[in-house]
Amino acid sequence: GQNIDQPTEMTATEGAIVQINCTYQTSGFNGLFWYQQHAGEAPTFLSYNVLDGLEEKGRFSSFLSRSKGYSYLLLKELQMKDSASYLCAVRDEYGSGGSYIPTFGRGTSLIVHP
Amino acid sequence: NAGVTQTPKFQVLKTGQSMTLQCAQDMNHEYMSWYRQDPGMGLRLIHYSVGAGITDQGEVPNGYNVSRSTTEDFPLRLLSAAPSQTSVYFCASSNVKAPYEQYFGPGTRLTVT
Repeated sequence: GQNIDQPTEMTATEGAIVQINCTYQTSGFNGLFWYQQHAGEAPTFLSYNVLDGLEEKGRFSSFLSRSKGYSYLLLKELQMKDSASYLCAVRDEYGSGGSYIPTFGRGTSLIVHP
Repeated sequence: NAGVTQTPKFQVLKTGQSMTLQCAQDMNHEYMSWYRQDPGMGLRLIHYSVGAGITDQGEVPNGYNVSRSTTEDFPLRLLSAAPSQTSVYFCASSNVKAPYEQYFGPGTRLTVT
């Protein structure tokens, strides 16, 4: 089974940097994903980490440490439109349903204020 | 490309009624899946398919059936609706070359009274 933990809610100021943490416990590991979900909308894929280290994609970066069971999503130069829920998802060796599907955490609601 | 489409967007059912949530994708993706999302619960996998004619159960399959007769379509059937099935339902698809990058439909908001 899997246990994925991330903060329920975070707030930050426009223009600032925010780090959203995700810790996990799995039987085996086969990738960690971050999705963004605006209120009332579908999740959209942000990043995928399978090896240790930092993956940068524009204002967003995702970090993974497999030995610590830890990841974070770093958002720079925050904009109001970044207010959304950020979902951490982990795929273990076997997958919660098939080899490709991850298990999702409960999400972190990020509120960006002026 | 329309991507992943879902119908209806909203639905209200009475307890015991049955219905089918439709999902279609035009990206020729092999993999498709159904999730439900409840407040504070995250996304939970109901059923998934790795190709036409192949389906399997996810984490919360009870009360739901699926079939995959074509690559494009993956309908979800509620056999006898219960209030516990009140939720937002998302369909997703991905291709075999990048299976981790799932594309989600806009969701169906279902209320069972």
